[in-house]
Amino acid sequence: QKEVEQDPGPLSVPEGAIVSLNCTYSNSAFQYFMWYRQYSRKGPELLMYTYSSGNKEDGRFTAQVDKSSKYISLFIRDSQPSDSATYLCAMSPMRSVWGKLQFGAGTQVVVTP
Amino acid sequence: NAGVTQTPKFQVLKTGQSMTLQCAQDMNHNSMYWYRQDPGMGLRLIYYSASEGTTDKGEVPNGYNVSRLNKREFSLRLESAAPSQTSVYFCASSEWSGTPVYEQYFGPGTRLTVT
Repeated sequence: QKEVEQDPGPLSVPEGAIVSLNCTYSNSAFQYFMWYRQYSRKGPELLMYTYSSGNKEDGRFTAQVDKSSKYISLFIRDSQPSDSATYLCAMSPMRSVWGKLQFGAGTQVVVTP
Repeated sequence: NAGVTQTPKFQVLKTGQSMTLQCAQDMNHNSMYWYRQDPGMGLRLIYYSASEGTTDKGEVPNGYNVSRLNKREFSLRLESAAPSQTSVYFCASSEWSGTPVYEQYFGPGTRLTVT
């Protein structure tokens, strides 16, 4: 069983809808949670991060962590065609400079005009 | 700033051939990484270099070797390519910037096919 599970999609939504993405994990030691966005044929880029439990909002994006359920979510409000990308969750047990991130498989999102 | 650059962008190899993937960063980062990305598998760490002069194995190191040539450059070598190494390879770098997480900056990727 993978340490991080993420539905690969694709998830297709009309422009303006709310996009809801999530990951589940099995390692209770994970404390740092990140969301990366990857456009087609590009490298991933960090979108948001949260530490431990709680919510974090950045513009149209909200990240939530529920450590008791081992479940993290990313919500995109007022979705735009430019949000069409693959979204990967990533997590680590500590603030790790050594690259020990565990990535989900990524969810492909398509926002149709 | 170019960020993280990778060469080549595409490569087709025959089974048993060798090649080196090149990566360079101009952000003065200490740490560098090599990942492979396969459908349904996400990004998996092959090797990483915490700082110049050090390298260590990641999750899937078999069949690969790395060299941290200097602070800027980190290369990945396939000595005898196998079809199972068909993948997209990403190089990344990171440095402490005062935030709670170490953001990793990724290159554009190398698409490798082994026939």
